[in-house]
Amino acid sequence: EAQVTQNPRYLITVTGKKLTVTCSQNMNHEYMSWYRQDPGLGLRQIYYSMNVEVTDKGDVPEGYKVSRKEKRNFPLILESPSPNQTSLYFCASSLSKTPFTVQHFGDGTRLSIL
Amino acid sequence: AQKITQTQPGMFVQEKEAVTLDCTYDTSDPSYGLFWYKQPSSGEMIFLIYQGSYDQQNATEGRYSLNFQKARKSANLVISASQLGDSAMYFCAMREGLGAAGNKLTFGGGTRVLVKP
Repeated sequence: EAQVTQNPRYLITVTGKKLTVTCSQNMNHEYMSWYRQDPGLGLRQIYYSMNVEVTDKGDVPEGYKVSRKEKRNFPLILESPSPNQTSLYFCASSLSKTPFTVQHFGDGTRLSIL
Repeated sequence: AQKITQTQPGMFVQEKEAVTLDCTYDTSDPSYGLFWYKQPSSGEMIFLIYQGSYDQQNATEGRYSLNFQKARKSANLVISASQLGDSAMYFCAMREGLGAAGNKLTFGGGTRVLVKP
């Protein structure tokens, strides 16, 4: 089944404890992206990747890191999480970067930073 | 200016009736895609339907259709024969052309739909 898989689905952790949210897609998509969703602010792009080893900042990259060593994986790293990073996170992928391709989303990761 | 505007924060619809969710967009890019996503209370973001800016015909996917009026810059979602499982938040989104930063999706504020039995 074609899908984007994120793990974990839920995580409660404490300030400063490094964490990684994994994202994997099995559709051979070139483009991958991370979003966060917050009440009143909607969905905002954190980082994106056009292809392997090509990543760039989105609208709200502060406090996050990403890597794209393999085409299928695009992990989101919070080196020193803070409470303002409590949010619902989505990984998405699409066949390419063009506006005519659908971005498919993972099921989301609910992060709570205490 | 907002790029995607959804003016209906919430609406009720009777089961088996049709419902139209409004979406207007703003872009000067001739190449763009318009998308609708459904987000149930469980939180996942489910793709429903897509319309490209050069598509001549309105998109349809099962009970979902997209009423695309390019001159008016609107892309309304029509859900026919509503079911209880259609109760969710619905987002309109746009992806602009090759020059757009991040090639990201820009989302509207969403419309919450509640289907009544």
